[in-house]
Amino acid sequence: NAGVMQNPRHLVRRRGQEARLRCSPMKGHSHVYWYRQLPEEGLKFMVYLQKENIIDESGMPKERFSAEFPKEGPSILRIQQVVRGDSAAYFCASSPLVSNQPQHFGDGTRLSIL
Amino acid sequence: AQSVSQHNHHVILSEAASLELGCNYSYGGTVNLFWYVQYPGQHLQLLLKYFSGDPLVKGIKGFEAEFIKSKFSFNLRKPSVQWSDTAEYFCAVNQGGATNKLIFGTGTLLAVQP
Repeated sequence: NAGVMQNPRHLVRRRGQEARLRCSPMKGHSHVYWYRQLPEEGLKFMVYLQKENIIDESGMPKERFSAEFPKEGPSILRIQQVVRGDSAAYFCASSPLVSNQPQHFGDGTRLSIL
Repeated sequence: AQSVSQHNHHVILSEAASLELGCNYSYGGTVNLFWYVQYPGQHLQLLLKYFSGDPLVKGIKGFEAEFIKSKFSFNLRKPSVQWSDTAEYFCAVNQGGATNKLIFGTGTLLAVQP
């Protein structure tokens, strides 16, 4: 186990509902990254956060998606008014403060939209 | 835009065969290079990484990769595969610095037949 904890492992939502995905980084890691893996595709970067700050959100869809990493608690990826195309595996990764350190990944959350 | 190409989408080998998976990237500046492996139902695990120094990098489980700057390549190799190497392999690149996001290839699915 890489130590990055994601929950839930599987999430089923109906179209129009909200999805909340949680990620607790490895102990001692202060950087969190979210990636999305669509079927038959590689992982695509979504957003990079440090505590209370969004550093790079260049991969986030402009609408319905948001992310936060509060001072206390896990990072949350929130998808409002989900659509079928949001069905994917969402992976969280974390790394320490020091640069040039590899990212460690969680088990992912598999989101299915009915 | 920076991109990563993995030319082999599916590879089938018999046990003890040699493996080479291709990876090319499209960025001319300084890059950090990674290979991750995803075993069925598990999270991504780091196989090996290149930041600087010796371009021949050795990783876990007998894997190695060679960074050839002139060819923008970082091919993964293993002299003799085992059935337990059956997994999906992802090449990834980042530039480090202010944004540490990883750019992934689409992955290569390796099936090793006993």
